[in-house]
Amino acid sequence: QVQLRESGPGLVKPSETLSLACAVSGQSITTDYYWGWIRQSPGKKLEWLGHIFHSGSAYYNPSLESRVSLSVDPAKNQFSLRLKSVTAADTAIYHCVRTDKKWYYYIDVWGAGASVSVS
Amino acid sequence: IVLTQSPGTLSLSPGATAALSCRASQGVSVSNLNWYQQKPGQAPRLLIYGTSTRATGIPDRFSGSGSGTDFTLIIRGLEPEDSALYYCQQYGNSPLFSFGPGTKVEIK
Repeated sequence: QVQLRESGPGLVKPSETLSLACAVSGQSITTDYYWGWIRQSPGKKLEWLGHIFHSGSAYYNPSLESRVSLSVDPAKNQFSLRLKSVTAADTAIYHCVRTDKKWYYYIDVWGAGASVSVS
Repeated sequence: IVLTQSPGTLSLSPGATAALSCRASQGVSVSNLNWYQQKPGQAPRLLIYGTSTRATGIPDRFSGSGSGTDFTLIIRGLEPEDSALYYCQQYGNSPLFSFGPGTKVEIK
């Protein structure tokens, strides 16, 4: 059973960079899935940040593209998120996710989420 | 693309049928419309993909339909455990993934 677990600081100062990692267990990250990040604001809005393939090909939400970057580390079986120049509006729960892409595109595995406050 | 969900909140009795609407600002392929359920304190989980295919382990009380810009999630025989937020999500338009604001279902 595939499990995802987020890790990283729970508090980030404004203008600094938010960095989170997602450890994948139960499956190799080099399989045919996208690995990505979705955040949920305190108001419960869900926002897709982007996803990455194990080759390093990444797709980002255009609204955040200038500030977000994803990376993948097959040796550690994990992937990471960096969001620079954060503001209070970036306060959210950040979920790492797996996206199935074989016939349909849907998010079928979610991490429990990491709560990040910008203050 | 903007997804709009209605109603915002649905309060129903056990055993009733819930109809949740998801409308898109432009056409969405039936292959690219999914539904998720989120219970308090939990991450969302996949309910329906490709408009009408139930995800693994999802009971047949849940069904999805629709095309173009109008999609519907139906929950029959509501149970207390169905109390949750329900989100529709589209794939393919910019941004690649986007979600509706959610419908809260309350079972009273």
